[in-house]
Parts: sequence; C-alpha cells; structure tokens
Amino acid sequence: AQSVTQLGSHVSVSEGALVLLRCNYSSSVPPYLFWYVQYPNQGLQLLLKYTSAATLVKGINGFEAEFKKSETSFHLTKPSAHMSDAAEYFCAVSSSSNTGKLIFGQGTTLQVKP
Amino acid sequence: DAGVIQSPRHEVTEMGQEVTLRCKPISGHNSLFWYRQTMMRGLELLIYFNNNVPIDDSGMPEDRFSAKMPNASFSTLKIQPSEPRDSAVYFCASSLPGPQETQYFGPGTRLLVL
Repeated sequence: AQSVTQLGSHVSVSEGALVLLRCNYSSSVPPYLFWYVQYPNQGLQLLLKYTSAATLVKGINGFEAEFKKSETSFHLTKPSAHMSDAAEYFCAVSSSSNTGKLIFGQGTTLQVKP
Repeated sequence: DAGVIQSPRHEVTEMGQEVTLRCKPISGHNSLFWYRQTMMRGLELLIYFNNNVPIDDSGMPEDRFSAKMPNASFSTLKIQPSEPRDSAVYFCASSLPGPQETQYFGPGTRLLVL
C-alpha cells in the first residue's frame, strides 16, 4: 500500500523567504510523485512531477522538488516566496501497481506575510 | 482546449433530494476520476474510470452514491437521497492512461445540502 505524509498542515513565511513544504511517501514499488497546488475556489493544478528521470524536478512558478529515495522524501522548495504563492499544496504518489490512482497527502496551507 | 468542464458549479438542495453532478473530460483522456473535498476529510477519491469502465469504486461512501460514464466525453455522479453530510466540493479530473500521467482537475461543484 502507498501513503503520503505532509508534515505541517500550515506553513507561514515572509515574502522573499525560502519556502519548504515537506512530503514523505511510503511505497513498496518505484513511485511517481506529484505536487499539486490549489488556489482558493479552484481545482488542483500540477506544479511538478517525478517520473524516474532526473531526481531534481523543476516546476512552474519557480518551484522545485528533489526525490530522495533513501529518505523517502519529495520536499517542495522555492527560494523566494511571493504573495501569489499563498495556496494549499498537495503531495501525491502513484505507481505502476495502482493503475493511475493517486494517493494524496492531507495538504499544507502556505501563508505568505508581507 | 477548454479543460475539464463541470456543471453545475454550485448546487443547493434539500435533504432527500436527488443531486446529479456532471463532468466532461478533456478530449482524448481515457481516465476519469471523481473526488470529494471537505475540511474534515481532505481530498478523497470516490471512483475512477478507464476507457469508460469503473476500475475502483472503493471510495464511494455508500449506496446513495452512483457514478456512470456512458461515453468517453461524459460522466455523472449521482447522490440519491442527499444528506447534509454530503455537503462538499466535488471535483472531476481526467488524464491520459498511466500512473505517471498528470491529472487535470475541473473547477469543482460546490454542493450544499440543507
């Protein structure tokens, strides 16, 4: 069985500060890992994904994430937060063993203070 | 492409009434997913289809919920009878087949059952 744990349901940073959102996964087979973002009153949209190519993945809006198998982690980072980054962020995992079904974490709400 | 289209965007109904939510996936996408999002339970997968066939409906709460996909361009999620605890945002998502593929989410239907 696969699972995802996002550490911290709420993260608050100042504008211009580093953003770090934590995600740990559990999977008995090679995983595919995703970060989605949800802005208020909208659906989820993909930020980036890891599909077993480069371990450092770059996404939209300056975000990136690094797949670390030894730590079973896929943390999301951005060097400098912008007010428009305030949203909810979801980490998700899938694999070839579950025919495309995504397992989502509980989400982390990012607050950006001016 | 117009993206995933959901209707209605908002629905207010009274307990006991039938509710039908509709989804049009992105053209060419073979996989379709229905999710429910609440503050208490987060994002839950209700059911998903591959090539119009339901693959996993283990997330459907109970017999009051049913989903159909009569063709590749249309799906419905029906609740009959509705209850206040069904109040949530319901998302439809579609993707190409495969666990590494991105799921594209619709804007959601916000359901309130009084």
